[in-house]
Parts: sequence; C-alpha cells; structure tokens
Amino acid sequence: SAVISQKPSRDICQRGTSLTIQCQVDSQVTMMFWYRQQPGQSLTLIATANQGSEATYESGFVIDKFPISRPNLTFSTLTVSNMSPEDSSIYLCSVGHSTGELFFGEGSRLTVL
Amino acid sequence: AQRVTQPEKLLSVFKGAPVELKCNYSYSGSPELFWYVQYSRQRLQLLLRHISRESIKGFTADLNKGETSFHLKKPFAQEEDSAMYYCALSGGRDDKIIFGKGTRLHILP
Repeated sequence: SAVISQKPSRDICQRGTSLTIQCQVDSQVTMMFWYRQQPGQSLTLIATANQGSEATYESGFVIDKFPISRPNLTFSTLTVSNMSPEDSSIYLCSVGHSTGELFFGEGSRLTVL
Repeated sequence: AQRVTQPEKLLSVFKGAPVELKCNYSYSGSPELFWYVQYSRQRLQLLLRHISRESIKGFTADLNKGETSFHLKKPFAQEEDSAMYYCALSGGRDDKIIFGKGTRLHILP
C-alpha cells in the first residue's frame, strides 16, 4: 500500500486567486493522478502526472488552469489558477500500484468565494 | 469511449436484505473492473477487483462481458455497509481509472 498526504486539507479562497495543493507519497511511484470530486458528483480525472514528463490532461482540463509539477517520484503539486466559485471541489491525489489499484489521499476541500 | 454507468444514485436496503449495486461499462477492449468504497469521513479505498475473484466483507462482483456489467452483490446487508460505492474501469496496469457517478447505499435498521 501507499500512504499519501495532501496539504492543505481545506481552504477558503477568494475569486481570482490561485492555490497550490501538495501531494506527498511515502514510497516512489511512477504514476500519480489528480482527480476532482465536485459536490454530489463522481470523481473526474484531471490529469496524469509522470515524473520527468509533462502531465497528460483529460478532456476539459488545460495546463494553464491546472498546472501540475512532478519533480520526483514521491511528490506532486496541482495548482488551481484564477479560481472561480465553480472550482469549489474536493481535489484528490492518487497513486497507482503495480496491481492496478489506486490509493487516495484524504483530499483537499477547496471553497472559492 | 470509456464509460462507467451506475444507474442508482441512492439505494436504501433493510438490514439483512440482499444488496445489489448495478454497474455497466463501455470499453472497446478487455477492461479491469473495480469497486471502490468511501465510508463516512474516510478516504476512498478499494473494495474489490474482478481479477481477484474474491469476496470482501461479504461482497462479490462478477464480470459479465456479454452484458458489460459488474454488479456488486451481498446476500445480507449490514448497517456498517452504509457508504458511497463507486464502480471503476481501467484499461490495464498503468492505465488511468475512470469512475462511475457512485451509488450511496443506505442500510435501514
């Protein structure tokens, strides 16, 4: 298994600002994933972050809005840029195991006013 | 296109009654199917996966390729089964995992 720590666990932000979410894993992993879970909805994959390469974004998500860093095999950040109330959501970091299972962080609950 | 469909947003079942959470998928190849669960105030975690063919907490799920379904079943519901259940699909190891919208299971006393 993998232990994943996310920071911040929650934040309240003003419209137009940006917030960076950090994800730390207790072991080296190749693939890290960022999901968004909007209120009452499912998990939507934002992007896949592999170390040493550009993140791969899913349809509807762009690098300018959600820049991602992956400087090493245990760490990644997701920035939510120029926030609006529609960005209010839980953002989840997850890592893949060789078995195909995903392990999740506790999530970062973001509220944009 | 990859798609996971969970038709029920909410399922209420009496304690001791059988449970079936429905999941249908759309995928052009041979997918790996999973059920994830999120209990209140806990993080999302894997419940079971089709390739392991095991029973976890009394739950089982059989992959039916003809019907493209992966329904989750338990013969006798327990109160601690109340949670949010997500069906998920992957193209294989190292592939991304796509989730359904989830079904909230509420076990009535």
